[in-house]
Amino acid sequence: DQQVKQNSPSLSVQEGRISILNCDYTNSMFDYFLWYKKYPAEGPTFLISISSIKDKNEDGRFTVFLNKSAKHLSLHIVPSQPGDSAVYFCAATLQGGSEKLVFGKGTKLTVNP
Amino acid sequence: NAGVTQTPKFQVLKTGQSMTLQCAQDMNHNSMYWYRQDPGMGLRLIYYSASEGTTDKGEVPNGYNVSRLNKREFSLRLESAAPSQTSVYFCASSRVGTQYFGPGTRLLVL
Repeated sequence: DQQVKQNSPSLSVQEGRISILNCDYTNSMFDYFLWYKKYPAEGPTFLISISSIKDKNEDGRFTVFLNKSAKHLSLHIVPSQPGDSAVYFCAATLQGGSEKLVFGKGTKLTVNP
Repeated sequence: NAGVTQTPKFQVLKTGQSMTLQCAQDMNHNSMYWYRQDPGMGLRLIYYSASEGTTDKGEVPNGYNVSRLNKREFSLRLESAAPSQTSVYFCASSRVGTQYFGPGTRLLVL
């Protein structure tokens, strides 16, 4: 039973356009959400996070939106760059708990020049 | 400040052999984790350690053991490797909910 779902295994966008990566979750107890970026042959790196008390968090070209009622979050990358081509993982956790993360299966983003 | 380091980077084992994957962090984090990543499966938690001296099972612990040697080090042991354990293994440590990952160990079991 997947608690964090990334239903799109892959996404392809043109350089300069917006990339939107989606993530759904089923556990209403999750209260902290993170996005990780992973290049081939490297470990995942933390990108951006959002607490359940917010509905938006922005960091440069990256914005994460959270819709608690729909149990849905999305990562927007504007403008997309070829260097953004990577696998993006959505993750969720319970703050104040064990700090364990539950990961989605990932979405492979390809940004074409 | 090296962050999270893992050794070895790559290993080939025969079925039934044993080995230990090493992980160390220099960020003074209390919590440490071992994951495996398989194609189309995302990152699955094998074991974690909330603090020195404590360990708990994750989603896929069968066939593995762990040791939290001290605050810095968390090792993963395969006692009798099986082809199903062919995977990429990541170690992570965390502070305030954000986990930081090592570069991974690619393991092939023949």
